Amino acid sequence: DAGVIQSPRHEVTEMGQEVTLRCKPISGHDYLFWYRQTMMRGLELLIYFNNNVPIDDSGMPEDRFSAKMPNASFSTLKIQPSEPRDSAVYFCASSFADLEQFFGPGTRLTVL
Amino acid sequence: QKEVEQDPGPLSVPEGAIVSLNCTYSNSAFQYFMWYRQYSRKGPELLMYTYSSGNKEDGRFTAQVDKSSKYISLFIRDSQPSDSATYLCAMSAYAGNNRKLIWGLGTSLAVNP
Repeated sequence: DAGVIQSPRHEVTEMGQEVTLRCKPISGHDYLFWYRQTMMRGLELLIYFNNNVPIDDSGMPEDRFSAKMPNASFSTLKIQPSEPRDSAVYFCASSFADLEQFFGPGTRLTVL
Repeated sequence: QKEVEQDPGPLSVPEGAIVSLNCTYSNSAFQYFMWYRQYSRKGPELLMYTYSSGNKEDGRFTAQVDKSSKYISLFIRDSQPSDSATYLCAMSAYAGNNRKLIWGLGTSLAVNP
């Protein structure tokens, strides 16, 4: 199994640009989570899906952030427009039968 | 006050030392307690998973939960340089399809040869 796949691994963009992060969960997993990690705030849950349906998006910081899961094998997190304070590592994770979450390698986003 | 408190460290110990990592929490509904390990520039990975109170041992690692004190611990015996990582605690009340984990900030550990 390839594990959770995220792309791109690194993204550098300028303020105001649109950023799209991508995630492929582990096959057969029915939960998908998007997190943001910074030194100051730690690991923050942004949104999670069950069977492609958003369950809890209370962690999405503002309307500039949106997430979609069009099918069981793909999800996107979009930031439009991006701001320097969005600079962080963004993780995608998936799970199946219980609480254990399997994390991808993360996308390191820098907004200049 | 955050739901889960964890001292971010950093913690630096010599090889072979016993390491104690801790988290406190405020929500008495938490029933499931986890420790994740995160190496630099990698995603977190599950290390230990316990339900309710008590101890669980796996090799050099022991997880303890004291629900009466709302306190959980992870002990590492005979620590190795390969244990150098950030350790995050996570907790859940786990009801229905609620899979939300509440995370500590993580404690950075360095084991020096």
